[in-house]
Amino acid sequence: GAVVSQHPSWVICKSGTSVKIECRSLDFQATTMFWYRQFPKQSLMLMATSNEGSKATYEQGVEKDKFLINHASLTLSTLTVTSAHPEDSSFYICSATKYRGMDEQYFGPGTRLTVT
Amino acid sequence: AQSVTQPDIHITVSEGASLELRCNYSYGATPYLFWYVQSPGQGLQLLLKYFSGDTLVQGIKGFEAEFKRSQSSFNLRKPSVHWSDAAEYFCAVELGQAGTALIFGKGTTLSVSS
Repeated sequence: GAVVSQHPSWVICKSGTSVKIECRSLDFQATTMFWYRQFPKQSLMLMATSNEGSKATYEQGVEKDKFLINHASLTLSTLTVTSAHPEDSSFYICSATKYRGMDEQYFGPGTRLTVT
Repeated sequence: AQSVTQPDIHITVSEGASLELRCNYSYGATPYLFWYVQSPGQGLQLLLKYFSGDTLVQGIKGFEAEFKRSQSSFNLRKPSVHWSDAAEYFCAVELGQAGTALIFGKGTTLSVSS
């Protein structure tokens, strides 16, 4: 199998605080992990691409100082939303690929972030 | 720019009836193509994928999709819909080498009436 987990599944934080979301590949080593954001009843928008041991590549319009991504190992990537604001409330989904080539992305179950 | 279009925002189908969800992409070459399903508050589940070869792809839960190069389409079909199929369906493409980021369509919400 290829299972990706996310923790927490749901988090509420106060405006101005930071929150960290973990994405783990449980039974495989992920060469690349992706972070997506999904607003209610909308599609997924890619935020950044993360490779183990290197800096993440952010999509245009995504603030890298606000959304800190760390890919410390081949099984773990973290997304930290710094100084969160209510407009950061969203559903954050990560995905991972095993290796380059003809492979698919394996998605985590998502993390619902609510900033009050 | 590359894009994925799902023309139907919301579709309602009677239980037992057939279903077709449309997906068109805009890209110079043939991308890798995917259909995902998302239930409320849940992550994405892969229904099927097309990389190459046979243009009619079979997936899970009785779904299939057909890649038509001439129409730049990858429509999803199911011959008989079940109430449990009610969900959000996303078509996605992966450009170039697999392992790169996906571009998603806006999704189609499927409702199933009894």
